[in-house]
Amino acid sequence: AQSVTQLGSHVSVSEGALVLLRCNYSSSVPPYLFWYVQYPNQGLQLLLKYTSAATLVKGINGFEAEFKKSETSFHLTKPSAHMSDAAEYFCAVSDGSARQLTFGSGTQLTVLP
Amino acid sequence: DAGVIQSPRHEVTEMGQEVTLRCKPISGHDYLFWYRQTMMRGLELLIYFNNNVPIDDSGMPEDRFSAKMPNASFSTLKIQPSEPRDSAVYFCASTEGQYNTGELFFGEGSRLTVL
Repeated sequence: AQSVTQLGSHVSVSEGALVLLRCNYSSSVPPYLFWYVQYPNQGLQLLLKYTSAATLVKGINGFEAEFKKSETSFHLTKPSAHMSDAAEYFCAVSDGSARQLTFGSGTQLTVLP
Repeated sequence: DAGVIQSPRHEVTEMGQEVTLRCKPISGHDYLFWYRQTMMRGLELLIYFNNNVPIDDSGMPEDRFSAKMPNASFSTLKIQPSEPRDSAVYFCASTEGQYNTGELFFGEGSRLTVL
């Protein structure tokens, strides 16, 4: 069984500030981890993924995430928030199969001017 | 390339009516997923198909829900009869490959409101 916990359903940051969205996972097998982003009235799109290669993963739009096995975490960061980053972010875990993808409950990111 | 295309984008109907949601996956993708998104339950996998065959429908909430994929380029999700608690955004997603690790391509969703 696998699960994902996203800490904080809402996060607000000022434009230019660090973005940190937290994700912890549980998996009985080596996990594959993902961050998806959902802009208003749109579907989800892949931001980045970890598939057992480098533990620091770089994604689109300046986001990156670090896989920490000892902490069972996969937190998403961005050094400097932009207004266009306002969206909902979902962490997800799979056992290596798209058929077993489990999503977290999401974190709504608000960027303040 | 066109992405996953869903229709309608918005549907408002009355309780008891039949609702049909449609999805056209990305050409060449052999897996198709239907998800439901609500505030209370988040994203839930309802059913998925591989090569047009339903593989796992354990997420389908009730017999009122049914899904079909008559060919590689079209799938439907039907609710009959609809109830207010079915109000949600329904997403279709597709991907390719048996060993795909979890990269799904989502449509923009169909927002259903049942009055």
